[in-house]
Amino acid sequence: EVQLVQSGAEVKKPGESLKISCKGSGYSFTSYSIGWVRQMPGKGLEWMGIIYPGDSDTRYSPSFQGQVTISADKSISTAYLQWSSLKASDTAMYYCASTIAAADYWGQGTLVTVSS
Amino acid sequence: SYELTQPSSVSVSPGQTARITCSGDLLAKKYARWFQQKPGQAPVVVIYKDSERPSGIPERFSGSSSGTTVTLTISGAQVEDEADYYCYSAADNNLWVFGGGTKLTVL
Repeated sequence: EVQLVQSGAEVKKPGESLKISCKGSGYSFTSYSIGWVRQMPGKGLEWMGIIYPGDSDTRYSPSFQGQVTISADKSISTAYLQWSSLKASDTAMYYCASTIAAADYWGQGTLVTVSS
Repeated sequence: SYELTQPSSVSVSPGQTARITCSGDLLAKKYARWFQQKPGQAPVVVIYKDSERPSGIPERFSGSSSGTTVTLTISGAQVEDEADYYCYSAADNNLWVFGGGTKLTVL
């Protein structure tokens, strides 16, 4: 069974750094790209970027370029989304997602709350 | 950049057919997907490749495509189908584009 399991909720202060994770299982992790999606409170979804774990090729949506870093560790089948300096406006639910054999799979989401 | 347009809300009575449309130029050349999102829950894909239904999704969910418009149809909508529904698709650079979402009320 294909699964994407994300790390737990985080509460951080503005200016702090953060790295959240998404662990894939039940498929060949290096063969399919994983993307990250933001959903701000009460809002729709925004595509942040995508990584191909096979060669770590990474692409960012223009809106998120320079704001976050996407990476992956194929030795442990895990993708990451990280911030170097969080802002209150980063408060949102973050999902990882992947298209595997033409079907889409989503993680359960990680709630990030940034508040002083 | 591409945009996908959905109605903000659709309302039906239980047992009726609900139809939610999604329009955009991207859909003329790329497959659409639909997911269901209930409050506080993760997205659940109900349709992929325009009309394919993942295993475990009830048969009352179906999808169709015509030109630049795709349609999610819920035949005999049930109270438990009340949720937000989003269409989305992947552009050439693997950047996913999302519709704004449709709130389905079954009442």
